[in-house]
Amino acid sequence: AQTVTQSQPEMSVQEAETVTLSCTYDTSENNYYLFWYKQPPSRQMILVIRQEAYKQQNATENRFSVNFQKAAKSFSLKISDSQLGDTAMYFCAFMKIPSNFGNEKLTFGTGTRLTIIP
Amino acid sequence: SAVISQKPSRDICQRGTSLTIQCQVDSQVTMMFWYRQQPGQSLTLIATANQGSEATYESGFVIDKFPISRPNLTFSTLTVSNMSPEDSSIYLCSVGHYNQPQHFGDGTRLSIL
Repeated sequence: AQTVTQSQPEMSVQEAETVTLSCTYDTSENNYYLFWYKQPPSRQMILVIRQEAYKQQNATENRFSVNFQKAAKSFSLKISDSQLGDTAMYFCAFMKIPSNFGNEKLTFGTGTRLTIIP
Repeated sequence: SAVISQKPSRDICQRGTSLTIQCQVDSQVTMMFWYRQQPGQSLTLIATANQGSEATYESGFVIDKFPISRPNLTFSTLTVSNMSPEDSSIYLCSVGHYNQPQHFGDGTRLSIL
């Protein structure tokens, strides 16, 4: 079974600054996906970024980037030039590589509540 | 990405009653999932809904309490049966097509009096 740990329940940062959210995981799988989702107060879960474990290059999406350390089983999210709209709960999630072109369940961490201060 | 419509968005129910939540997708998807998010907590998978077969439930969740239907590749329902205050949660459906990331509906906020 997989576990995902987020050790920072809450964080806050000034607008325009950079913030890094931490995530560690444990698995015996060699191939898998890792995700960051955000959940604003509106409660919709929004995909932020995805990382394939077989790729050494860290994923980036505009102001969002990850630091993926497979050996250390670490997957942190960096938000650059933070904006008020980034205020949300951020969840790290793990998914096994699907077999037979299916899809697999997500295992979530406990989340980090991020507040961007004007 | 797929557009997912989840209904109702919220409801307040009496204990002992049942509520059916609907999840509609605008395109065919291989897998649909139902998650529960208790107040202030993370998401926990209830079950995986496969078209044309019985849903697969996670440990701690049973079909009698959370019956699920998946009549076609674009639609699923989750029923929360014989509700008690402990069932007060947000219920979210997600869709996964092949190895693509899962996308979520807006969720149903359920309160039991």
